[in-house]
Amino acid sequence: NAGVTQTPKFRILKIGQSMTLQCAQDMNHNYMYWYRQDPGMGLKLIYYSVGAGITDKGEVPNGYNVSRSTTEDFPLRLELAAPSQTSVYFCATQLTGGGGYTFGSGTRLTVV
Amino acid sequence: DAKTTQPPSMDCAEGRAANLPCNHSTISGNEYVYWYRQIHSQGPQYIIHGLKNNETNEMASLIITEDRKSSTLILPHATLRDTAVYYCMRWWGNYQLIWGAGTKLIIKP
Repeated sequence: NAGVTQTPKFRILKIGQSMTLQCAQDMNHNYMYWYRQDPGMGLKLIYYSVGAGITDKGEVPNGYNVSRSTTEDFPLRLELAAPSQTSVYFCATQLTGGGGYTFGSGTRLTVV
Repeated sequence: DAKTTQPPSMDCAEGRAANLPCNHSTISGNEYVYWYRQIHSQGPQYIIHGLKNNETNEMASLIITEDRKSSTLILPHATLRDTAVYYCMRWWGNYQLIWGAGTKLIIKP
């Protein structure tokens, strides 16, 4: 029972590099979310998706892109990494619009 | 703007009930109250949510005041593993939970 799987768990990027954070779920949840969490702070929503082919911006989308071609996968793309993107990134899923979220274990990203 | 107010930290003795307060004085009629917790930088974990009535599940109880301006999360018999940051949030169906800084609960032996 994998739930929500995020890869990689840790990554160090140089300024200007790009990467894709992977999120995969096996629960057939329609709703998926990407959050970032800076030290000592709460989570901030980057992008979300209510189903395959549908994505929308959250509170802090600048510098990121997403796609949702299948129900299972919701990758987050960082283009031209900046030190301000150093953070912990969490992917979450939700069965319906009102249920509890299931979170992945996170990706710790450092941009130097 | 987190739209909820929580104390930054609380202590509780192991085996006692931990009562975590949350103020949401401007909550509207269609907004739910949600509680999550985050243990040592792991992914947050859903605990419970409610609209008007008190709710109970295997993890906790949620007591919402009659005017809905505040609520209390109760962990009935706290253990050391309940040490975590607890987040209280409002949700109104727009897919966005607004996360504040939460309450850091420390369970002491």
